[in-house]
Amino acid sequence: EIVMTQSPATLSVSPGEGATLSCRASQSVTSNVAWYQQKPGQTPRLLIYGASTRATGIPARFSGSGSGTEFTLTISSLQSEDCAVYYCQQYNNWPPTWTFGQGTKVEIK
Amino acid sequence: QVQLVQSGAEVKKPGSSVKVSCKASGGTFGNYAISWVRQAPGQGLEWMGGIIPLFGPANYIQKFQGRLTITADGSTSTAYMELSRLRSEDTAIYYCVKSRGRYLEEWYFDYWGQGTLVTVSS
Repeated sequence: EIVMTQSPATLSVSPGEGATLSCRASQSVTSNVAWYQQKPGQTPRLLIYGASTRATGIPARFSGSGSGTEFTLTISSLQSEDCAVYYCQQYNNWPPTWTFGQGTKVEIK
Repeated sequence: QVQLVQSGAEVKKPGSSVKVSCKASGGTFGNYAISWVRQAPGQGLEWMGGIIPLFGPANYIQKFQGRLTITADGSTSTAYMELSRLRSEDTAIYYCVKSRGRYLEEWYFDYWGQGTLVTVSS
């Protein structure tokens, strides 16, 4: 099983500042990584797929990068509505055993 | 625009089974995969297994082998998740999720059902 490890567990950021979330895979997953945002009491929402492609309707302040085993989600200028838990997910192996990271909680400082 | 509508909340006894449905509308059932992801209270997301409707069979993670059955009915565009021998640790919200497509690089989840809370309690 490919393990996805996210850091930090919690990130406190002042409004307008940038936030950088990390996700590390236990083995190469090429670029088959997605990021999801889950606000309290809501269903997760797709933000990024293919490591760096924004999903439809996602603001440009969200960007993804990385390949192989190291991936980053960057929020360029944090807004209050960005407070949520963010999960990375790999979808690189077949037969599928997709795995999620444990999540990073982003909060306003 | 695809919509996934799941069946309602369930309360089950330990040792029993639960079957949750997920009806898809919009899109072409079979052109994408349907997976099931669960989330225990206060915990993260866990992919359980998935199926490409009309192409079967389903794939499951080792943890659920022998207890989990995922099926799909193309005539009604409905997917099902049945989990047997329930225990208290299976208490969670169960989401059906749609992959962008059938191919490996498309197995990210672009649409989510509303979730079904399954509570296992004696």
